[in-house]
Amino acid sequence: EIVLTQSPGTLSFSPGERATLSCRASQSVSSSYLAWYQHKPGQAPRLLIYGASSRATGIPDRFSGSGSGTDFTLTISRLEPEDFAVYYCQYYGTSTGTFGQGTKLEIK
Amino acid sequence: EVQLVQSGVEVKKPGESLKISCKGSGYIFTSYWIGWVRQMPGKGLEWMGIIYPADSDTRYSPSFQGQVTISADKSFSTAYLQWSSVRASDTAMYYCARLDGIYFDFWGQGTLVTVSS
Repeated sequence: EIVLTQSPGTLSFSPGERATLSCRASQSVSSSYLAWYQHKPGQAPRLLIYGASSRATGIPDRFSGSGSGTDFTLTISRLEPEDFAVYYCQYYGTSTGTFGQGTKLEIK
Repeated sequence: EVQLVQSGVEVKKPGESLKISCKGSGYIFTSYWIGWVRQMPGKGLEWMGIIYPADSDTRYSPSFQGQVTISADKSFSTAYLQWSSVRASDTAMYYCARLDGIYFDFWGQGTLVTVSS
């Protein structure tokens, strides 16, 4: 069973800064099966990135994804106030999926 | 417009049965898997399982196998998540979501389940 580890649990940044979030898989996975979501309190999660690097419909280009094998990254180039939320990576394979434990992006 | 609309807040006592629903619209319901995701208070997202409404093929995450039942009624474009006997540890927000191949592209608004004596 694939385990996704996101670290650290919380990151503090100021608006306008660049944020890089990490997701590490317990074994090598296909990048095609790696996605990222944004989750704000009181809202449903929102798909940001799929296939490790493709932006979902309507997602601003300040969000980008990269990585392969066991190490994947979500980068937010210039943080906007609305970007402070919890971010999850997710993998789907062999008929089931799993989420990382999430990284909370908070305002410094 | 794709929409997934979930049933409302539930408050149950331990040992009671429960069934929550997720109605899809704006797309061909039988063409996509529907998944359920749990978020316990203060915790992260957990993949529970998925169902293919066309034939009710169901796949559970090992952590949830035997703990819940996922079903669907394609005639009503609705998926369900049910418990035969809820416990306090089932208190959580439950989301349904449409699986587009390997990722969830549309999500329901969530159903809050509280189990307390």
